[in-house]
Amino acid sequence: AQSVTQLGSHVSVSEGALVLLRCNYSSSVPPYLFWYVQYPNQGLQLLLKYTSAATLVKGINGFEAEFKKSETSFHLTKPSAHMSDAAEYFCAVSEGNTPLVFGKGTRLSVIA
Amino acid sequence: DTEVTQTPKHLVMGMTNKKSLKCEQHMGHRAMYWYKQKAKKPPELMFVYSYEKLSINESVPSRFSPECPNSSLLNLHLHALQPEDSALYLCASSQGGQGAANEKLFFGSGTQLSVL
Repeated sequence: AQSVTQLGSHVSVSEGALVLLRCNYSSSVPPYLFWYVQYPNQGLQLLLKYTSAATLVKGINGFEAEFKKSETSFHLTKPSAHMSDAAEYFCAVSEGNTPLVFGKGTRLSVIA
Repeated sequence: DTEVTQTPKHLVMGMTNKKSLKCEQHMGHRAMYWYKQKAKKPPELMFVYSYEKLSINESVPSRFSPECPNSSLLNLHLHALQPEDSALYLCASSQGGQGAANEKLFFGSGTQLSVL
């Protein structure tokens, strides 16, 4: 069965600094990988998804993620953090026709 | 219209009450989902409807009863809930049926449920 592990339940960065949120996956077949963001009192919103077309995936709000099969990773990055990026970020995996499995989430804090 | 609308936004109910959560989308999506999210936890899948038929039930207690009256509407009927059922209940939809693995989920803002 597929699963994802998000390293670090809480990450804190300064405004303008690099954002790096880590996600490792486990899947028996080539997976579909996603990053979702959840702002306070909101539902989840898709940031980006990997579906095997390209290993570097660009998403909304300046985020991108790189699929590395050899490392079974799909880390999320953004070159320069903004205060509005403070939120909960979930990595998720799906394979075949199965529903998404979410990681435990990483809370991103941005310090002015 | 690219929204999933959930009502009510907040709900407080006693353990003997019967209430319903409602979800609506007008994007023509053929799969709809109910998720339960406890504070500081990821969403947990409860039910999936594909082409208006229940396709996945993740061993949810019978005090939660889903209903899909038509392709745009999804209800979650609640009866005899327990305090531990207090959570954010999220509805989502996706374009294809059977919760196709590579598709984007569109989430509503959720109903924050408190069971007293």
